[in-house]
Amino acid sequence: EVQLVESGGGLVQPGGSLRLSCAASGFTFSDHYMDWVRQAPGKGLEWVARTRNRVKRYTTEYAASVTGRFTISRDDAKNSLHLQMNSLDSDDTAVYYCARSTVSTTHNNIDYYGMDAWGQGTTVTVSS
Amino acid sequence: DIQMTQSPSSLSASVGDRVTITCRTSQGIRNDLGWYQQKPGKAPKRLIYAASSLQSGVPSRFSGSGSGTEFTLTISSLQPEDFATYYCLQHNSYPLTFGGGTKVEIK
Repeated sequence: EVQLVESGGGLVQPGGSLRLSCAASGFTFSDHYMDWVRQAPGKGLEWVARTRNRVKRYTTEYAASVTGRFTISRDDAKNSLHLQMNSLDSDDTAVYYCARSTVSTTHNNIDYYGMDAWGQGTTVTVSS
Repeated sequence: DIQMTQSPSSLSASVGDRVTITCRTSQGIRNDLGWYQQKPGKAPKRLIYAASSLQSGVPSRFSGSGSGTEFTLTISSLQPEDFATYYCLQHNSYPLTFGGGTKVEIK
């Protein structure tokens, strides 16, 4: 059974930092792209960041709203995903989900990855 | 960035009704789209991938269609457990973007 368990959320002051983690089990973690998605209170879903797998040299992508402040990383030996969040502000208050991505479509021999499994989320509150 | 326009933003329906939700994208994304269901306080769950393929374990009353810029999620006969919020997600290009969501409520 695929399991994704996030941790590390909490209350942090504006300008502060926090590191989220996601422990993965039940699948071959190193094969997959992994994402962070967040959801502000009462709002919709927002993609935050992606890390590709070893084959794609662990390259990363970020939403514009977090570029330069957040860093996604992974440790395939420990089946874990991380999100280092710096310079936090109130707009970063949200539930943060870890998601596994799998090849969902292929065009011209290029694979496109969609999220197919999610953790239960960890809550980050940025407030003084 | 690819803009996602999902409609309606909410709807009221009865058990047994046929429900259709639409997602339009600002540029063509072939079939690089998924549909997700989210219940209050829970993580999203993928229902449909590649615009029209049913995720394993998802009831067959859910179906997806479309390609290019217009996509549809249909629930053929709404069940009590289907009352939730539904989102589309494009994974064609970065940044990945979600639709604004459709809240399906009980009439």
